[in-house]
Amino acid sequence: AQSVTQLDSQVPVFEEAPVELRCNYSSSVSVYLFWYVQYPNQGLQLLLKYLSGSTLVESINGFEAEFNKSQTSFHLRKPSVHISDTAEYFCAVSDKSSGSARQLTFGSGTQLTVLP
Amino acid sequence: GAGVSQSPRYKVAKRGQDVALRCDPISGHVSLFWYQQALGQGPEFLTYFQNEAQLDKSGLPSDRFFAERPEGSVSTLKIQRTQQEDSAVYLCASSSHWTGAHRSREGVSYEQYFGPGTRLTVT
Repeated sequence: AQSVTQLDSQVPVFEEAPVELRCNYSSSVSVYLFWYVQYPNQGLQLLLKYLSGSTLVESINGFEAEFNKSQTSFHLRKPSVHISDTAEYFCAVSDKSSGSARQLTFGSGTQLTVLP
Repeated sequence: GAGVSQSPRYKVAKRGQDVALRCDPISGHVSLFWYQQALGQGPEFLTYFQNEAQLDKSGLPSDRFFAERPEGSVSTLKIQRTQQEDSAVYLCASSSHWTGAHRSREGVSYEQYFGPGTRLTVT
């Protein structure tokens, strides 16, 4: 079984400031890691994922996340946020083992609000 | 269609009514998942289909919840005798990935594509 903790339910930040959204997970098996974003009145969209290889993964819109196995963390960062980044962000994990259905276990979400 | 679609987008039901929620996955996607998202929470897994086979229904909260995917494409989540605690957004997701006996393949995308959800309100 897995669990995901997103300690910050709300993160307000001024435009062009850096931001970090924290995610920690617990699992008895190896996992894949994901960040999903949910804009108002829209479905969940994959932002970035860690499957294997380099522990630093990047998205096309400037977000990055680093997998830290020893700290079981997958924090999301952006050096300079825009108003359009305002959304709910969900961290998720799925079982890596073959034969797994790979259903996602989500955290409770972090609402990022970018202020002008 | 280009993405996962769900209908209806909004449903209001009186307590005790039965409801049926529809999901149209991306064409050709083998895997289909249902999730329940309560207000202020992350989505929680309900059930999983690989083609028409329901391989995992461990997340269904009670025997009032029933899901089917008879032809391996469209799926329906049915809730019988709805109760107020069933009020939530029900999300459907599809994926081209499928489970199998082979070892996990590096580089395979395990992305799940989500629909917009159906917001169910039970009064």
